[in-house]
Amino acid sequence: GAVVSQHPSWVICKSGTSVKIECRSLDFQATTMFWYRQFPKQSLMLMATSNEGSKATYEQGVEKDKFLINHASLTLSTLTVTSAHPEDSSFYICSARGDILEPQHFGDGTRLSIL
Amino acid sequence: AQRVTQPEKLLSVFKGAPVELKCNYSYSGSPELFWYVQYSRQRLQLLLRHISRESIKGFTADLNKGETSFHLKKPFAQEEDSAMYYCALAYTGFQKLVFGTGTRLLVSP
Repeated sequence: GAVVSQHPSWVICKSGTSVKIECRSLDFQATTMFWYRQFPKQSLMLMATSNEGSKATYEQGVEKDKFLINHASLTLSTLTVTSAHPEDSSFYICSARGDILEPQHFGDGTRLSIL
Repeated sequence: AQRVTQPEKLLSVFKGAPVELKCNYSYSGSPELFWYVQYSRQRLQLLLRHISRESIKGFTADLNKGETSFHLKKPFAQEEDSAMYYCALAYTGFQKLVFGTGTRLLVSP
């Protein structure tokens, strides 16, 4: 149980395009979803927290206009990297959680490469 | 500010040897600590959390508030334990997680 699916797993696109990443909880209702970014050989850094039906809460230093997060249902959250540039290339990971006392369950991650 | 420190980037042991992956934290509130594991080409998955006080795959971790530590231990390492291990701290009412930089455990035959 508690499976989180993330799609796509890998995307390469040209600079200036926008990229959407989906995160789905397959067998539970995710009240809260989280988006992380991981640079090579570094730890996961929380970007934003989103609760279903509410605006996402962004961590300090994360541009909300660059990283658009939508959590329209209890099973789906999306992260859109707008007007992506090479410096946005990274590994993006989502996680989802039902009840606040439950642990987070992670997706497989999306490797984003901007040329 | 909350912080998690894993001092070892790599820990290499032989099969059957004891393992201890170190984790220290800094947090002014009441900590909720986790160990997550990432096997090769797999997603991050929860190994154990301190409030459960359980042993998973032979691993245990005890929260020591005096030393602000949550070290992960296993008495006899197995080759299948080779993976990346992350210690994490939940804060703001269990809402968010801050991760350590991770320790890669390599168990050799």
